[in-house]
Amino acid sequence: DGGITQSPKYLFRKEGQNVTLSCEQNLNHDAMYWYRQDPGQGLRLIYYSQIVNDFQKGDIAEGYSVSREKKESFPLTVTSAQKNPTAFYLCASSTGPSGYGYTFGSGTRLTVV
Amino acid sequence: SQQGEEDPQALSIQEGENATMNCSYKTSINNLQWYRQNSGRGLVHLILIRSNEREKHSGRLRVTLDTSKKSSSLLITASRAADTASYFCATGGGSNYKLTFGKGTLLTVNP
Repeated sequence: DGGITQSPKYLFRKEGQNVTLSCEQNLNHDAMYWYRQDPGQGLRLIYYSQIVNDFQKGDIAEGYSVSREKKESFPLTVTSAQKNPTAFYLCASSTGPSGYGYTFGSGTRLTVV
Repeated sequence: SQQGEEDPQALSIQEGENATMNCSYKTSINNLQWYRQNSGRGLVHLILIRSNEREKHSGRLRVTLDTSKKSSSLLITASRAADTASYFCATGGGSNYKLTFGKGTLLTVNP
């Protein structure tokens, strides 16, 4: 079955550590996205990629980094520069621009310990 | 910045009743989408309505769009306990890749 797989489901980070969240899709979608969701809040865009080897900052990119070396994969690194990383992270993909529906993964819950 | 604002923030109804959620936005859009999120899960795309459409149906869902008022509504008819979830509206500009989400309406359907 086609879909998006995010791993791990839960992740714990120590202060000062970098961690990488995985996002893989087998939908043959060109575009991929990372969103952050805080309790009771909507989704805020961190980074997005329209095509392989290209990505753009979203609204809250500071403290995060991404890569898009393969069409299927769009990993997100939460760096130590991100001062408040505890949140629910959602990866999504779409066939094209925002005029198409997004397919979301099941999310990664990151907690700083 | 978040474009869409859902109203109400929370809604509690009995099974079998209809649920109506509203979304207002600020700038011109190419399309508006509604998503559903069960607690602790990813979002699921429900329906997309384009700026030149006024109403769209999908099963028990009915979406309206009023571009003059910059607002949309999502109606769920004959609700079921399984419809309990958060519902988000999202707006897109069309050629760009940024879909902007509101804060959502938490719908609780009591059996």
